[in-house]
Amino acid sequence: GAGVSQTPSNKVTEKGKYVELRCDPISGHTALYWYRQSLGQGPEFLIYFQGTGAADDSGLPNDRFFAVRPEGSVSTLKIQRTERGDSAVYLCASSLSASGGPGGELFFGEGSRLTVL
Amino acid sequence: GQNIDQPTEMTATEGAIVQINCTYQTSGFNGLFWYQQHAGEAPTFLSYNVLDGLEEKGRFSSFLSRSKGYSYLLLKELQMKDSASYLCAVRDLGGKIIFGKGTRLHILP
Repeated sequence: GAGVSQTPSNKVTEKGKYVELRCDPISGHTALYWYRQSLGQGPEFLIYFQGTGAADDSGLPNDRFFAVRPEGSVSTLKIQRTERGDSAVYLCASSLSASGGPGGELFFGEGSRLTVL
Repeated sequence: GQNIDQPTEMTATEGAIVQINCTYQTSGFNGLFWYQQHAGEAPTFLSYNVLDGLEEKGRFSSFLSRSKGYSYLLLKELQMKDSASYLCAVRDLGGKIIFGKGTRLHILP
């Protein structure tokens, strides 16, 4: 597709359950970023990948959160033992490169809205 | 560490000009972005600065002073559709991009 695609668009789950959120970046974009956004706040950085490897995972809140990008394209954000505080919109973005210069801007998907009951 | 500050809310009148300021601290600077986000939608890219000075793009301009850790977004000839949140974001030398909390801009007719 032409843009960043995220699935599911909406996920409602119960406290304690496991959740996977998927991101399909723009073809050819080597850098992929995950953020989460709560109402009235800016996107909070979680992790970013350059190719297959996690270049910076300093924003993952704890070890319940994990993300992979095994073939350098699609990425999955995994959340174990979900808590009510995990409820947010999870945004994925991709860019041509993370190394700087024009053309490194992020293109965002529409997000996955996670609600933990 | 990194920190970004911008005003929480601003109000302006249709047809006027508004300036949204952003100050940042980062351990290594490699570019500053401005994004627009309408309620319930994803952020969309507006502008990019890596060198000091003004970048103009239609009704929107963005300014950067690296020595001051300061940027502003200037919106001219405001239209009702400009009502949105404006996000300042900074990239560090490692490629990590962090965002400020955003400035909600209200446009009055």
